[in-house]
Amino acid sequence: GAVVSQHPSWVICKSGTSVKIECRSLDFQATTMFWYRQFPKQSLMLMATSNEGSKATYEQGVEKDKFLINHASLTLSTLTVTSAHPEDSSFYICSALAGGPLEQYFGPGTRLTVT
Amino acid sequence: AQSVTQPDIHITVSEGASLELRCNYSYGATPYLFWYVQSPGQGLQLLLKYFSGDTLVQGIKGFEAEFKRSQSSFNLRKPSVHWSDAAEYFCAVGTMEYGNKLVFGAGTILRVKS
Repeated sequence: GAVVSQHPSWVICKSGTSVKIECRSLDFQATTMFWYRQFPKQSLMLMATSNEGSKATYEQGVEKDKFLINHASLTLSTLTVTSAHPEDSSFYICSALAGGPLEQYFGPGTRLTVT
Repeated sequence: AQSVTQPDIHITVSEGASLELRCNYSYGATPYLFWYVQSPGQGLQLLLKYFSGDTLVQGIKGFEAEFKRSQSSFNLRKPSVHWSDAAEYFCAVGTMEYGNKLVFGAGTILRVKS
């Protein structure tokens, strides 16, 4: 149980275009999902908390207008990187709350490369 | 402020040897503690968690961890390491007072030599 998927697993896009990443809870409903960014050989950096039916809560320093988050259903959250630039290239990971308190289950991640 | 410290960036152990990965945290409240493992290019898999009760918790893949409040530590152990355990390990801590967010340590890369 508590399986989280992400799509796509990797994407290459040109600078200036937008990219949408999907995060789905496959066998449970998730009212809260999280989006992280991970640079090579570094830990996870929380970008935002996604709550179903309400606006996402962004961490300090994360641009809301650049990283659009939509949590339209209990099983799907999306992250759209708008007007992507090479510095947005990274590994993006989502997670969903399930099980016990604060217990997060992670998706497999999405590798974004902006050329 | 909340913080999680994993003092060892890399650890190398021989296959079959025991393993201990260190994790120290700084929190003002009762923490919820987790260990996750990440293989290259993959997401994180939950190994074990501690909320309350018995301070020695068992997880998957033969891992265990011990919560020591006096030392603010939650070290991960395994009695006999297998080559497939080579990965990066993250300690994470959260409290209800800060919502459902977790703070992750910097990670420890485990190498297993045969």
